[in-house]
Amino acid sequence: ETGVTQSPTHLIKTRGQQVTLRCSSQSGHNTVSWYQQALGQGPQFIFQYYREEENGRGNFPPRFSGLQFPNYSSELNVNALELDDSALYLCASSHQRTENNYGYTFGSGTRLTVV
Amino acid sequence: AQSVTQLGSHVSVSEGALVLLRCNYSSSVPPYLFWYVQYPNQGLQLLLKYTTGATLVKGINGFEAEFKKSETSFHLTKPSAHMSDAAEYFCAVSDQSFQKLVFGTGTRLLVSP
Repeated sequence: ETGVTQSPTHLIKTRGQQVTLRCSSQSGHNTVSWYQQALGQGPQFIFQYYREEENGRGNFPPRFSGLQFPNYSSELNVNALELDDSALYLCASSHQRTENNYGYTFGSGTRLTVV
Repeated sequence: AQSVTQLGSHVSVSEGALVLLRCNYSSSVPPYLFWYVQYPNQGLQLLLKYTTGATLVKGINGFEAEFKKSETSFHLTKPSAHMSDAAEYFCAVSDQSFQKLVFGTGTRLLVSP
């Protein structure tokens, strides 16, 4: 089975710009979540998508938005980038409502640097 | 609200020694608990998880953890450290909706020869 793939692996943007990060979920997974991991910190939940609808959101401003597509791939969009948005962005997929759920599969992340 | 506290940002052991990484959680509902490992420049890999049932959970690479409700702990252990165990370890908690994981700040495990 394929894992979770994220693109690009690294990205440098200027403050004020917009960025789109992409994620392809593991085959058979219908739920995708995004996490932000600042340097030296644990990942912080941004939001989750299930069946193309937002299914929960963490403490992030509206300039962080997302999409999930019918093939369960996903995008994370961040507008008006700030220096503090520099972080590793992790995508994680899972299959909701199955007996052996509760195990996200994480991608390797996109390292975003805002200058 | 749920939270996780990982005691010790760095833990150093010798190869072959016992590994003990500490995790305490706070949750107002029955928790689901997880340990993830992160190698440099990589994503998170699930080591083990506790949802219900047996409180001693065995994971990959010889790791195990025990859920102790009375102590609100879920410490990670491995009897004998290997050089390849050097990585960052994260403890996480979720509720039964499994909508999100709340992570601790991580513990970096250093293994010396």
